[in-house]
Amino acid sequence: TQLLEQSPQFLSIQEGENLTVYCNSSSVFSSLQWYRQEPGEGPVLLVTVVTGGEVKKLKRLTFQFGDARKDSSLHITAAQPGDTGLYLCAGPSAGSYQLTFGKGTKLSVIP
Amino acid sequence: GAVVSQHPSWVICKSGTSVKIECRSLDFQATTMFWYRQFPKQSLMLMATSNEGSKATYEQGVEKDKFLINHASLTLSTLTVTSAHPEDSSFYICSAGLAGTYEQYFGPGTRLTVT
Repeated sequence: TQLLEQSPQFLSIQEGENLTVYCNSSSVFSSLQWYRQEPGEGPVLLVTVVTGGEVKKLKRLTFQFGDARKDSSLHITAAQPGDTGLYLCAGPSAGSYQLTFGKGTKLSVIP
Repeated sequence: GAVVSQHPSWVICKSGTSVKIECRSLDFQATTMFWYRQFPKQSLMLMATSNEGSKATYEQGVEKDKFLINHASLTLSTLTVTSAHPEDSSFYICSAGLAGTYEQYFGPGTRLTVT
């Protein structure tokens, strides 16, 4: 069974601070996706990383895929209250189009 | 692009009644749709995988006779919660898979409350 572990589980920071959240596995994934979910809404796809060592930037968000494709990180620069939400990483389950989700990191950015 | 809608966004029903939730991919065709359930402060729990024109595949522990899934077209899947009970109250979210990728695009979710 492929598992994705996310850390930290909860994170509360002040506006303007930087932060990094992690998504780790003992299994190799062909790709990993990051989603952000706000309360009462469905997750929104932020990025898909495919190549080991890949770095993708989305404004103040930087996503990295580990060289061995077993882990990924999300770094947010100068966090804003609008970044508040549940960040989920997900990867395809072996042999199917189903996604394995991590338990998420709940981020709160305090104005 | 890749917009998925869900209807209704919230519903309150009485115990013993059935509720149907619709999931539509608005600007792309989805041969595969997924239904999830999410409990407060928890991650998504996959209930079933729905393939257009065939029977849904249910995850272990999900009662297929209680959660009826129909995927009659490339843009519409429905989840019917039959004989609903208060313990079925939850946030139900659908997603549609983008063909040729592992990406899923999610609907906004449906909050079901069974009284």
